[in-house]
Amino acid sequence: QLQLQESGPGLVKPSETLSLICTVSGASISSSHYYWGWIRQPPGKGLEWIGNIYYTGSASYNPSLKSRVTISVDTSKSQFSLHLSSVTAADTAVYYCVSDQLGAVAGTWGQGILVTVSS
Amino acid sequence: QTVVTQEPSLTVSPGGTVTLTCASTTGAVTSGSYSNWFQQKPGQAPRALIHNTNNKHSWTPARFSGSLLGGKAALTLSGVQPEDEAEYYCLLFYDTFWVFGGGTKLTVL
Repeated sequence: QLQLQESGPGLVKPSETLSLICTVSGASISSSHYYWGWIRQPPGKGLEWIGNIYYTGSASYNPSLKSRVTISVDTSKSQFSLHLSSVTAADTAVYYCVSDQLGAVAGTWGQGILVTVSS
Repeated sequence: QTVVTQEPSLTVSPGGTVTLTCASTTGAVTSGSYSNWFQQKPGQAPRALIHNTNNKHSWTPARFSGSLLGGKAALTLSGVQPEDEAEYYCLLFYDTFWVFGGGTKLTVL
């Protein structure tokens, strides 16, 4: 059974880079069946799609975040990562890693990790 | 800027039927929008219900169905149960990226 687990710091300072890792288990991160993505949710607000990546390294991003976000994949570790630069308080959110299949977004979710941006 | 709009809130009686819709500011929602629907209950991660407009996941109850209706994506719940009270989000595809709707809070009363 496919499982995803986010890890990373729960507190990031303004203007710094938020970095999270998602560890994949129960399926191969190099499988041609999956894309690997990130979705976030500010406290009390709705969902925002951040982006996703294929095991080859081909990535797609939300245009509103594209200038600040990078998603990468490390197949040797069965992990993919999110890096969001120049963060502000508006980036405070629960960040979820998810697995996508063609046309089927986020069939599997990690438990989520709350990241607070504050000095 | 691409905006996806949903009804902010809806109320339905137990056993009733309700349809949630999802519209795009760029025009009609089509099969090429590959609409997805998610359910989120308080304190929980969202759960995928529908993908590719009208395809259920293996865990999706039969009372949930997806469709296209009048240029919008639609999620219909038939025979609503009390446990269906939740926030529902749609998600649409735009060439290379996806956009969530603002969510519909469904109350079962």
